[in-house]
Amino acid sequence: QQQVKQSPQSLIVQKGGISIINCAYENTAFDYFPWYQQFPGKGPALLIAIRPDVSEKKEGRFTISFNKSAKQFSLHIMDSQPGDSATYFCAASKGGGADGLTFGKGTHLIIQP
Amino acid sequence: ETGVTQTPRHLVMGMTNKKSLKCEQHLGHNAMYWYKQSAKKPLELMFVYNFKEQTENNSVPSRFSPECPNSSHLFLHLHTLQPEDSALYLCASSQAGRGSNEQFFGPGTRLTVL
Repeated sequence: QQQVKQSPQSLIVQKGGISIINCAYENTAFDYFPWYQQFPGKGPALLIAIRPDVSEKKEGRFTISFNKSAKQFSLHIMDSQPGDSATYFCAASKGGGADGLTFGKGTHLIIQP
Repeated sequence: ETGVTQTPRHLVMGMTNKKSLKCEQHLGHNAMYWYKQSAKKPLELMFVYNFKEQTENNSVPSRFSPECPNSSHLFLHLHTLQPEDSALYLCASSQAGRGSNEQFFGPGTRLTVL
């Protein structure tokens, strides 16, 4: 049973465009939702995260939108750049303690110059 | 050294070998994790350690044996592995009790089982 479903599997966006990746979760006990960026040969790096008490969080060109009633959250990358080309993972967990993250399958993003 | 380091970065082993993966975190965190990343599958949690105590074993086969001697070091001992165990093994750390579950990952060990 996949607890975090991520789409699309791959995405091609033109430079300067908006990249949008979506995730849906099932476990209502989750209350911490991070996004990770991974380049080939590297470990995942935390990009941005949100708690369910807010509906949106923005850091630079990256924005998370969160819909608690629909159990969905999404990552928006504004003004996408070729350097943003990477694999992006959404994840979810209970927050605060030493809890393992449940990951989506990942989205391979390519930004075309 | 900064962040989370893992050694070796690459490992090739036969099914009868015994080897160990090492992880060290330089962030002063109190929780450490092992994850497995296979092609076309989500990252899978394997083990969680909080203040050196194992708090979660995600139904991992006994051929994988974790060890956490202190809150800065984490090992994964491997023996009699199968070819399907070939994957990228990632270590992460976090500061539990801060109100978030912000986990920082190492670069991983790419394991190939022949």
